[in-house]
Amino acid sequence: QKEVEQNSGPLSVPEGAIASLNCTYSDRGSQSFFWYRQYSGKSPELIMFIYSNGDKEDGRFTAQLNKASQYVSLLIRDSQPSDSATYLCAPGVGGNMLTFGGGTRLMVKP
Amino acid sequence: ETGVTQTPRHLVMGMTNKKSLKCEQHLGHNAMYWYKQSAKKPLELMFVYNFKEQTENNSVPSRFSPECPNSSHLFLHLHTLQPEDSALYLCASSQGGPPPGGQYFGPGTRLTVL
Repeated sequence: QKEVEQNSGPLSVPEGAIASLNCTYSDRGSQSFFWYRQYSGKSPELIMFIYSNGDKEDGRFTAQLNKASQYVSLLIRDSQPSDSATYLCAPGVGGNMLTFGGGTRLMVKP
Repeated sequence: ETGVTQTPRHLVMGMTNKKSLKCEQHLGHNAMYWYKQSAKKPLELMFVYNFKEQTENNSVPSRFSPECPNSSHLFLHLHTLQPEDSALYLCASSQGGPPPGGQYFGPGTRLTVL
């Protein structure tokens, strides 16, 4: 059974700090990795994806992937109160089959 | 309309009712999905359609019946639901790879079964 583990949180960081969100996955066949942000009462919004080991940066977001350790993370620099949301990790196996983690709730305090 | 749209946004139905959820994607994608999101549980994949063909049925009870008449439209027909089926039902679409693209979600239908 495919498993995606995320600390449910809440992860509380002060405004301007770096928020680090972590995710581990069990399926070694996972080839693509997606991060979604979900505000309360809203649907998930795709914010980052990464396919290769290493880091990928997009604005204030950096995704990090280590396939050998089956570990993927999302760093948010200069965290803002508007970043307060639940962040979902979703590894994908072949085509577009994604398995979602339970999400980490992030709270950025002014 | 842009992105992925879903109607209705809210639905209350009795256990003996029959209703349908509608999803439309305006992104030119070739795959569409139905997910269920219950409180305190991860997103659960229900059905996958690639080029109108169902490629995945994730052990969903037969009281949920999907329909995909073309690559832009997806329906979820509901009948004789149970109270535990109350949840947020999300539609998503994506473009096939390689590499695979991300899935883009609609706003969801909040379903309450009485």
